[in-house]
Amino acid sequence: SQELEQSPQSLIVQEGKNLTINCTSSKTLYGLYWYKQKYGEGLIFLMMLQKGGEEKSHEKITAKLDEKKQQSSLHITASQPSHAGIYLCGADPFYNQGGKLIFGQGTELSVKP
Amino acid sequence: GAGVSQSPRYKVAKRGQDVALRCDPISGHVSLFWYQQALGQGPEFLTYFQNEAQLDKSGLPSDRFFAERPEGSVSTLKIQRTQQEDSAVYLCASSLGGGAIRETQYFGPGTRLLVL
Repeated sequence: SQELEQSPQSLIVQEGKNLTINCTSSKTLYGLYWYKQKYGEGLIFLMMLQKGGEEKSHEKITAKLDEKKQQSSLHITASQPSHAGIYLCGADPFYNQGGKLIFGQGTELSVKP
Repeated sequence: GAGVSQSPRYKVAKRGQDVALRCDPISGHVSLFWYQQALGQGPEFLTYFQNEAQLDKSGLPSDRFFAERPEGSVSTLKIQRTQQEDSAVYLCASSLGGGAIRETQYFGPGTRLLVL
């Protein structure tokens, strides 16, 4: 079965600093999703990547999927306190259909003002 | 439009009690998913509906867990004879399509279940 490993598990950065969160899969990633979760709340969709080498950006957050489609990274530029939360990567385990997602364990981000 | 809603938001149950958790998906969404999230972990898949049909229940941990979506919209996750290990956040998600294509799942706020 497919497993997703996120690193680091937790991260504390000073406001204004850049940071990167990684998500590594044991198998090919056919659809890779990034979500953000605040304590006590549900998951907020950030971005979805499908193609090897694909890169998407939204405001100060950029997500990339490597060419081999086994690793994704989430990069935040000039972090702000509003970026704090738990970042989760999720993946479709199937090639040609949507369905259940497999998630990593999450990366907890704290941003110090 | 309204997002996915779940109720109750918090539930405290005594061990052995039955509980029912409700999910209202985004209107018109065909697919509905239930996930269980233990503290400090990512969500784990429980079950999946396409309209009223339960297409995958491979993630349900035991026969004490039962889910239904009788009219293809609202879904209920029922846990019978709750155990302490059932304590978790139960997340519901919905997506527009029928699973044949890859689509974004939109999550509700979750129900936090604590079994004493």
